[in-house]
Amino acid sequence: SQKIEQNSEALNIQEGKTATLTCNYTNYSPAYLQWYRQDPGRGPVFLLLIRENEKEKRKERLKVTFDTTLKQSLFHITASQPADSATYLCALGSGNTGKLIFGQGTTLQVKP
Amino acid sequence: DAGVIQSPRHEVTEMGQEVTLRCKPISGHNSLFWYRQTMMRGLELLIYFNNNVPIDDSGMPEDRFSAKMPNASFSTLKIQPSEPRDSAVYFCASSLTGEIYNEQFFGPGTRLTVL
Repeated sequence: SQKIEQNSEALNIQEGKTATLTCNYTNYSPAYLQWYRQDPGRGPVFLLLIRENEKEKRKERLKVTFDTTLKQSLFHITASQPADSATYLCALGSGNTGKLIFGQGTTLQVKP
Repeated sequence: DAGVIQSPRHEVTEMGQEVTLRCKPISGHNSLFWYRQTMMRGLELLIYFNNNVPIDDSGMPEDRFSAKMPNASFSTLKIQPSEPRDSAVYFCASSLTGEIYNEQFFGPGTRLTVL
């Protein structure tokens, strides 16, 4: 069955450092992959999308890579700030149905 | 636009009672998704609609759960009868499927507690 794995342990880093979150998947061939941010008590918010034929995408301090051979996406936040502390979810999609399958999320804590 | 609107924000009910969750998607969006989020299972897709038609309800746990979308601006998720294991946060999301990004816009969620 389709499986998406994100590091279940919280990631604690120091302000100013680069945070790297991992999303691995099996038994799936997604056409695209999305990353969402979720703050406590709120719904997820879309951050970035990367398609299967794209290796890397950037948006301000965010960078996403997508390796369909390794079946892995890496999500980087450079120059991290305490305000970046949240749970980050990866989601896989295919076709034009809009249906997404979400990972469990990784909680990031940036300490000042 | 006000974003996706969900009501109620919190619901506490007793086992066996009927629960109805409501969602108003973003105007113009043609897809609507119902999710359930728990610590143990994460964010699970329950059902989704395209142009008001249910496309995939394979995530609906059992017959106690039902969802409707009578028009483009309103959807309900009903649990009857409710059980303690249904306690979770239920999210509604909408998107403009067919566009390049297909990003989903989530509502604030309904926190359901079944005693």
